[in-house]
Amino acid sequence: GAGVSQSPSNKVTEKGKDVELRCDPISGHTALYWYRQRLGQGLEFLIYFQGNSAPDKSGLPSDRFSAERTGESVSTLTIQRTQQEDSAVYLCASSLPPDGYTFGSGTRLTVV
Amino acid sequence: AQTVTQSQPEMSVQEAETVTLSCTYDTSESDYYLFWYKQPPSRQMILVIRQEAYKQQNATENRFSVNFQKAAKSFSLKISDSQLGDAAMYFCAYRIIQGAQKLVFGQGTRLTINP
Repeated sequence: GAGVSQSPSNKVTEKGKDVELRCDPISGHTALYWYRQRLGQGLEFLIYFQGNSAPDKSGLPSDRFSAERTGESVSTLTIQRTQQEDSAVYLCASSLPPDGYTFGSGTRLTVV
Repeated sequence: AQTVTQSQPEMSVQEAETVTLSCTYDTSESDYYLFWYKQPPSRQMILVIRQEAYKQQNATENRFSVNFQKAAKSFSLKISDSQLGDAAMYFCAYRIIQGAQKLVFGQGTRLTINP
């Protein structure tokens, strides 16, 4: 596609429920990244996929968070048993190294 | 660990004037990239300008330029002839050249343009 597409744009969920966030990267981009942005804060790195290499999961805050990517296509970020502190905008980006990132518009997650 | 600090949570400037946003960073690497991103209310992060640490010349993109002081680990953004469309959150970011390409972001500066 022309850009990085994320869905849903907004998600409201009840505390304790599981959520899945989707990222569709630019075709041909081998690298894909997930970031979390809490209100009024900068972006925190969550996870990074590069081709068929093992993902860098060093930023995932707890074992409730997981992400998958099939080949060089769509990625899903799953948050299990959501908590109120998970409320944030989740941003996805893709790149063809060494070129720079292209970001999506994010998913705003609200846990009530 | 690498860190990026933006000490100005908010800045404002009159339309057509010049404003400078500050950024400092901490790293033990000698080769890296520095970036300024703009985030409007649409949430999408837009690359404003990029600087390679091995280049002494400051990067420039139209009305946007940087003052890169490697020894001081300082990377400020100057916006000349400010326009209403420049109003946004601005984030300074860093990444190493080799290995994992994750970005480390500062906390951001909210820029307001006064007409």
